[in-house]
Amino acid sequence: QKEVEQNSGPLSVPEGAIASLNCTYSDRGSQSFFWYRQYSGKSPELIMSIYSNGDKEDGRFTAQLNKASQYVSLLIRDSQPSDSATYLCAVGGSSNTGKLIFGQGTTLQVKP
Amino acid sequence: DGGITQSPKYLFRKEGQNVTLSCEQNLNHDAMYWYRQDPGQGLRLIYYSQIVNDFQKGDIAEGYSVSREKKESFPLTVTSAQKNPTAFYLCASTQLAGGPNTQYFGPGTRLTVL
Repeated sequence: QKEVEQNSGPLSVPEGAIASLNCTYSDRGSQSFFWYRQYSGKSPELIMSIYSNGDKEDGRFTAQLNKASQYVSLLIRDSQPSDSATYLCAVGGSSNTGKLIFGQGTTLQVKP
Repeated sequence: DGGITQSPKYLFRKEGQNVTLSCEQNLNHDAMYWYRQDPGQGLRLIYYSQIVNDFQKGDIAEGYSVSREKKESFPLTVTSAQKNPTAFYLCASTQLAGGPNTQYFGPGTRLTVL
């Protein structure tokens, strides 16, 4: 069974701090990695995607991928109360089905 | 406006009833997916379809059925055989050709059994 693991949290950080969200996956053949943000009662929206080892930055968000350790993370700099949400890690395999396996999500609380 | 629409937003089902959730996309995406989300949980795949007139079971297909008669549409029927259908249902789509497959989601349908 292919799995994606996240700490459910909640992760609580003060406003302006760096929030670090982590995800591990079991399938070594995984090739695509995504972070989605989901506000309570809403559908997931894509924050970041990453496909090769290293860091990828987009504004206040940085995704980090380490395929050898089967680990992907999301850093949120200068955290704002509006960043309070559940963050879902999703991993795509090597097949061409487009299927993703989702972690259970980490709840982030940014306190003013 | 390109996107994915789901209807209705809220749906109430009586015991023993079949109900159908609508999902339409105008993104010209090849593949479409149905997920179920329970409180505090991640997304679990119910069914997916890569091409018209073809679909595959996901991890929790029992008690559900789908059809894919048009590329734009992928309706989900929750049958009376699904014993615990109360959940948030999400439809997603992606373009299969030309690289990594980012999935985009519709706004969801919240189903409650009365």
